[in-house]
Amino acid sequence: AQRVTQPEKLLSVFKGAPVELKCNYSYSGSPELFWYVQYSRQRLQLLLRHISRESIKGFTADLNKGETSFHLKKPFAQEEDSAMYYCALSGRFGNNRLAFGKGNQVVVIP
Amino acid sequence: GAGVSQSPRYKVAKRGQDVALRCDPISGHVSLFWYQQALGQGPEFLTYFQNEAQLDKSGLPSDRFFAERPEGSVSTLKIQPSEPRDSAVYFCASSYEIPLAGGTDTQYFGPGTRLTVL
Repeated sequence: AQRVTQPEKLLSVFKGAPVELKCNYSYSGSPELFWYVQYSRQRLQLLLRHISRESIKGFTADLNKGETSFHLKKPFAQEEDSAMYYCALSGRFGNNRLAFGKGNQVVVIP
Repeated sequence: GAGVSQSPRYKVAKRGQDVALRCDPISGHVSLFWYQQALGQGPEFLTYFQNEAQLDKSGLPSDRFFAERPEGSVSTLKIQPSEPRDSAVYFCASSYEIPLAGGTDTQYFGPGTRLTVL
């Protein structure tokens, strides 16, 4: 079975401090991992995916297959980073449906 | 262009009432997904359409839930009859490509419908 675990529900950081959101997964196969973000009063949107290896808005995430992790990091948090972040997995389900973690609420303190 | 739209944005129903939630995907998008998000949880998969064909409904929690996409564009999720435990935000998402084994096309989400069943 596929499962995505985000252990911390709420994360408060000061502006300029580093941010790390943890994501661990279980999946029997080769999954594709994503981070989705939902800003206040906005819809869920893709932040980044492991395949593209991009840095979006200063965020990066590296897939570690040995530790089955896909942690999200940003060296210097900005106030506009305050949002809900979801780690998600897509595997060979046949339709690419997403399995989400419970999410992390990030609050950046000015 | 316009993104995925959903209506209504908010719905309050009484126990036993039938509920219909509408999703307008991005024009030309082949794949359409429905997700349910309970309070404090991440979205959970309900069902998937490829054009008008419902290829996966394994996430539908009971036979009270029914979804359709008769012309391969607009989709409706129906709950007949609704119960308080169905209270959640229901998201629709669409993507362009038919999924391939090698990768996943980006899913674009609608704003969601917040359903409260009293």
